[in-house]
Amino acid sequence: IQLTQSPSSLSASVGDRVTITCRASQGISSYLAWYQQKPGKAPKLLIYAASTLQSGVPSRFSGSGSGTDFTLTISSLQPEDFATYYCQQLNSYPRMYTFGQGTKLEIK
Amino acid sequence: QLQLQESGPGLVKPSETLSLTCTVSGGSISSSSYYWGWIRQPPGKGLEWIGSIYYSGSTYYNPSLKSRVTISVDTSKNQFSLKLSSVTAADTAVYYCGGGVIVNWFDPWGQGTLVTVSS
Repeated sequence: IQLTQSPSSLSASVGDRVTITCRASQGISSYLAWYQQKPGKAPKLLIYAASTLQSGVPSRFSGSGSGTDFTLTISSLQPEDFATYYCQQLNSYPRMYTFGQGTKLEIK
Repeated sequence: QLQLQESGPGLVKPSETLSLTCTVSGGSISSSSYYWGWIRQPPGKGLEWIGSIYYSGSTYYNPSLKSRVTISVDTSKNQFSLKLSSVTAADTAVYYCGGGVIVNWFDPWGQGTLVTVSS
């Protein structure tokens, strides 16, 4: 199963509402995660099971979707949100983890 | 709180074997609660899953790397390890270990370690 994120890059301003899309090549129910990665740092789990916020993640982050189409939304961008975002899923047969190609969110 | 830390050589020669270890703290690696994996990121590029090992001992590898990868667990040291043979410059990347209690995703991650393949 392939994951395709759009856009690949995005310029936005502090306070903007931003949406990133992840499309799966086949249905994956709700077994999708979103990660945030800042330069020089390891990815950080933001959302799992498509819409469940990981503990400690600000409520301005939200996720939705099921099947093949998923979205990550940041309701009001903060300076610390400028980073690269990846979606990820686990395919059961054959067992294989797949990441999207990433979306780089930059300051406008 | 589960924490992971990668260690190993930062420079490997072409055709040799890359060996990394991930030390687990805050939990027992042999617990039936945990799933472990290795992920890498070439400079300036995206994330690539290398392989995983589950508490059951089952291993799963990325088909594109399967012929060169071995992942194993050392319960006496609370560590799991990665071996990648016959490396080339294309294997230059930051290597992360990841794990957690939910098989579907990785949380937490180690801080990552840069491995450069060069003579």
